[in-house]
Amino acid sequence: GAGVSQTPSNKVTEKGKYVELRCDPISGHTALYWYRQSLGQGPEFLIYFQGTGAADDSGLPNDRFFAVRPEGSVSTLKIQRTERGDSAVYLCASSLAGGPGDQYFGPGTRLLVL
Amino acid sequence: GENVEQHPSTLSVQEGDSAVIKCTYSDSASNYFPWYKQELGKGPQLIIDIRSNVGEKKDQRIAVTLNKTAKHFSLHITETQPEDSAVYFCAAVDNDYKLSFGAGTTVTVRA
Repeated sequence: GAGVSQTPSNKVTEKGKYVELRCDPISGHTALYWYRQSLGQGPEFLIYFQGTGAADDSGLPNDRFFAVRPEGSVSTLKIQRTERGDSAVYLCASSLAGGPGDQYFGPGTRLLVL
Repeated sequence: GENVEQHPSTLSVQEGDSAVIKCTYSDSASNYFPWYKQELGKGPQLIIDIRSNVGEKKDQRIAVTLNKTAKHFSLHITETQPEDSAVYFCAAVDNDYKLSFGAGTTVTVRA
């Protein structure tokens, strides 16, 4: 069975550029989460979707970050005017229905901003 | 918000010995405590979890204990094997869905 998949696995970009990171959740999972993991740290919450809507985007660091999930399945995390400090691993997770339950993580996208 | 502290940051054990990782949390409303194992270049993998109405849970060589009064929980790995070498993260769920992670423990099992 397919788990959470993320593309690309690695992304190198230049400061100031725009990037899009994609997440395909486990089929049937209505809840989707984005986390960011800096080197040597635990993942930090960015945004939570329940269905198509962003139920909580309080973890997005600033307005350069935006995420969508237009059909309630695939999600895209968008970063405008990238900065070197945005370099990190961006992790996506999904769970069956949200709430305190199992979140299954994808392998992450490693973003490097030069 | 929730604040999770994890200790130790690194742990080296001889194969066959036990490993213990401890975490504390700040928000008494947190009610779900998963543990994740992360191998190099991969995403975190859920290995065991415990809910606030349970004090202890065991799954083969892995066990987790929870003390809600003291707001701490621990992971115990017995009979460690080289494949247990990885980074382990504790987490607590607040707001019903938001995982707050500890900083991680790098476990090395020496053959």
